Amino acid sequence: KNEVEQSPQNLTAQEGEFITINCSYSVGISALHWLQQHPGGGIVSLFMLSSGKKKHGRLIATINIQEKHSSLHITASHPRDSAVYICAVNDGGATNKLIFGTGTLLAVQP
Amino acid sequence: ETGVTQSPTHLIKTRGQQVTLRCSSQSGHNTVSWYQQALGQGPQFIFQYYREEENGRGNFPPRFSGLQFPNYSSELNVNALELDDSALYLCASSLEDGREQFFGPGTRLTVL
Repeated sequence: KNEVEQSPQNLTAQEGEFITINCSYSVGISALHWLQQHPGGGIVSLFMLSSGKKKHGRLIATINIQEKHSSLHITASHPRDSAVYICAVNDGGATNKLIFGTGTLLAVQP
Repeated sequence: ETGVTQSPTHLIKTRGQQVTLRCSSQSGHNTVSWYQQALGQGPQFIFQYYREEENGRGNFPPRFSGLQFPNYSSELNVNALELDDSALYLCASSLEDGREQFFGPGTRLTVL
């Protein structure tokens, strides 16, 4: 079992829909990240969370430390949101290395 | 402020060869982490360098090695390449706490 699990693996939505991607983790963490990866490969950080909720534009991220669960929401989705969304956690060890989920491939159709 | 850069962008090698990938960290960052991302998978931690010393290592064999230079740029070296080494190699720079990591665009390595 992976230490960071995401669902769904693939998601197709119509433009304007509300989207939720879920992430569960089984290890102790110092922070959780939501990242976006486009087909070219580059990874962009969307959020870093250690508690509560953060909002940036149409994106909202929440974390429940007790339940070891986080969600990424996209409101009013748009085709330009199409990308792979990855959940990752800092393991809190000496390197604070990131442990990644396998990602959610989102396609938003016009 | 200069972001994280990596070179080359793409690379094709044959089995048994050696490869060196390069990463320049974001200005002000003294820590570099390297990750391997196989197709359809999430990145896997290879190792981290802090102040020119290896600070921690993931589950990768010794033929994966690295260096960090006084300007905090870094190299990843892979010897005796295998087909399974084909992947996107990502470097990320950070401050020493490693919490917020900034990623480069990656180097896509293909081993034939």
